[in-house]
Amino acid sequence: EVVLTQSPLSLPVTLGQPASISCRSSQSLVYSDGKTYLNWFQQRPGQSPRRLIYWVSSRDSGVPDRFSGSGSGTDFTLKISRVEAEDVGVYYCMQGAHWPPWTFGQGTKVEIK
Amino acid sequence: EVQLVESGGGLVQPGGSLRLSCAASGFTFSNYIMNWVRQAPGKGLEWVSYISQSGKTTYYADSVKGRFTISRDSAKNSLFLQMHSLRAEDTAVYYCAASFDFWGQGTPVTVSS
Repeated sequence: EVVLTQSPLSLPVTLGQPASISCRSSQSLVYSDGKTYLNWFQQRPGQSPRRLIYWVSSRDSGVPDRFSGSGSGTDFTLKISRVEAEDVGVYYCMQGAHWPPWTFGQGTKVEIK
Repeated sequence: EVQLVESGGGLVQPGGSLRLSCAASGFTFSNYIMNWVRQAPGKGLEWVSYISQSGKTTYYADSVKGRFTISRDSAKNSLFLQMHSLRAEDTAVYYCAASFDFWGQGTPVTVSS
């Protein structure tokens, strides 16, 4: 089973400042088709998860461009260029390269200082 | 508009059964693999089960294997999760997800005497 380790688990940020979340995988997430199956999800308080990023760096429709994903192999990063109040919530990485099972990171809680 | 609406959750005694449903609309249901993902109170996301577009292939997390059964009815655009031998540790909000692109709002399951 692939283990995803996120850091930090708690991230207090100042409005308008950047934020960065790391996700490290116990195995390479490059699939046999050459694509890297690493997703990022946002879960706002009281809401269901929403996918922000797929294939490491592709933004889902409607996702603001202040969100960006990067990385390769086993090391990945989600960046928010300028944090807004609506970005408060928990962020999860998830891998879809080695399944079953599909696995999630522990989650990173983003809050405003 | 894409919609996934879960139902069927509730309070059940240990050892009991529940059947969750997920009604899909706004997209071509038969084209999507479907998943159930759960979230225990105050915890992270855990993948539970997968079903292929045809319904012929299914996978389960080890924690539910042999107790849960996933199924789908493409004629009714519906996904199901039959849960037997429920345990306290199955207490969670259960989400259906189309691939992992779209998520429902979740239905809560509480297993307690």
